[in-house]
Amino acid sequence: DAGITQSPRYKITETGRQVTLMCHQTWSHSYMFWYRQDLGHGLRLIYYSAAADITDKGEVSDGYVVSRSKTENFPLTLESATRSQTSVYFCASRGLAGVSTDTQYFGPGTRLTVL
Amino acid sequence: DQQVKQNSPSLSVQEGRISILNCDYTNSMFDYFLWYKKYPAEGPTFLISISSIKDKNEDGRFTVFLNKSAKHLSLHIVPSQPGDSAVYFCAASAGWGAQKLVFGQGTRLTINP
Repeated sequence: DAGITQSPRYKITETGRQVTLMCHQTWSHSYMFWYRQDLGHGLRLIYYSAAADITDKGEVSDGYVVSRSKTENFPLTLESATRSQTSVYFCASRGLAGVSTDTQYFGPGTRLTVL
Repeated sequence: DQQVKQNSPSLSVQEGRISILNCDYTNSMFDYFLWYKKYPAEGPTFLISISSIKDKNEDGRFTVFLNKSAKHLSLHIVPSQPGDSAVYFCAASAGWGAQKLVFGQGTRLTINP
């Protein structure tokens, strides 16, 4: 299916566990992003990537790790999950400025609960 | 330090009337602004955008107004329809177009029949 997908859609884990959220896009977009959505904060940027093997921190990157070995995949790992990381996580992608429309396209989200 | 603020968590409007959603920002480096719409259990979808060189952008029933001196933008929906019921997020970026976006908290719009 064309577009941007996230897996799993729902995840429950325990404090201290490692969790990886997957993101896959079929557009060959250069840029990919991870956000978390929390009440009262809107969406906050965790990490972004301009291309394969190029990543940079966003506003709330502590406790998260990303990798991008292939253009189409951008996994987000919580190395040791904490309750404060309970949230809804959105992945997004966009093409190069001037090549594609100037917007980010979002996946359906992953609801993560840390007990 | 919230650089983009949507001070109204919710808004209720009658079908057929105008919906006005507001957004304020503090960072004078922001030069590109977007509105996203979000339904439950879905990701946000792009609605409309405006560059800082303009003060108005229109797309069908949706119009975004930008007041740079007041650091304020608004989204007008006319006429409002039941399908417009959703959470609306305002977002801003500094340079690069829509690369690193800073989002507001969101406003839940409910259109009543």
